[in-house]
Amino acid sequence: ETGVTQSPTHLIKTRGQQVTLRCSSQSGHNTVSWYQQALGQGPQFIFQYYREEENGRGNFPPRFSGLQFPNYSSELNVNALELDDSALYLCASSLALGGTNEKLFFGSGTQLSVL
Amino acid sequence: AQKITQTQPGMFVQEKEAVTLDCTYDTSDPSYGLFWYKQPSSGEMIFLIYQGSYDQQNATEGRYSLNFQKARKSANLVISASQLGDSAMYFCAMRDQFYFGTGTSLTVIP
Repeated sequence: ETGVTQSPTHLIKTRGQQVTLRCSSQSGHNTVSWYQQALGQGPQFIFQYYREEENGRGNFPPRFSGLQFPNYSSELNVNALELDDSALYLCASSLALGGTNEKLFFGSGTQLSVL
Repeated sequence: AQKITQTQPGMFVQEKEAVTLDCTYDTSDPSYGLFWYKQPSSGEMIFLIYQGSYDQQNATEGRYSLNFQKARKSANLVISASQLGDSAMYFCAMRDQFYFGTGTSLTVIP
């Protein structure tokens, strides 16, 4: 069973640039969600995709966007990068059972630094 | 409004001892799920244990158990027989977009 993989592991960008982060879901999972984890904080929910459609979004501006592909892999795109976007970005996949016991399986994250 | 509160930024425990990590939550939904995740320095979040709001018994997973007190809205994680490999950040989370707390850094002392 293949786990959740994210690429790249580290990335350095400058303010105003655009970035794309990638995630491959765990085999058999049809839901992917993205989280931003600033240093010393807990993960903050960005959005979730289920079968290629966004079905939940946290308190993030529209310059944070995403895609989910037919093979359930996903991308997180961030436009017009700001210094505060520097964080660990975590991707998680799950089998959307819709219940309160839906367990997330996380990747190791992409560490984004905006200079 | 804070959905999940973890009031212990850092905790120390002697190897082989038990430790309790605190978590309180806030929700008006009668149906919810509570999770604990471990995050080692590698960054990956590792699932530890789950408790459903309607579960009659406290959840247990090996050395991990969850002290669930519904009336107090608390879901404390108990780690028994601590090991050096338990040193990590620990996050409490609640289902529905998975609200996470700010975490507790646990250090196990030899």
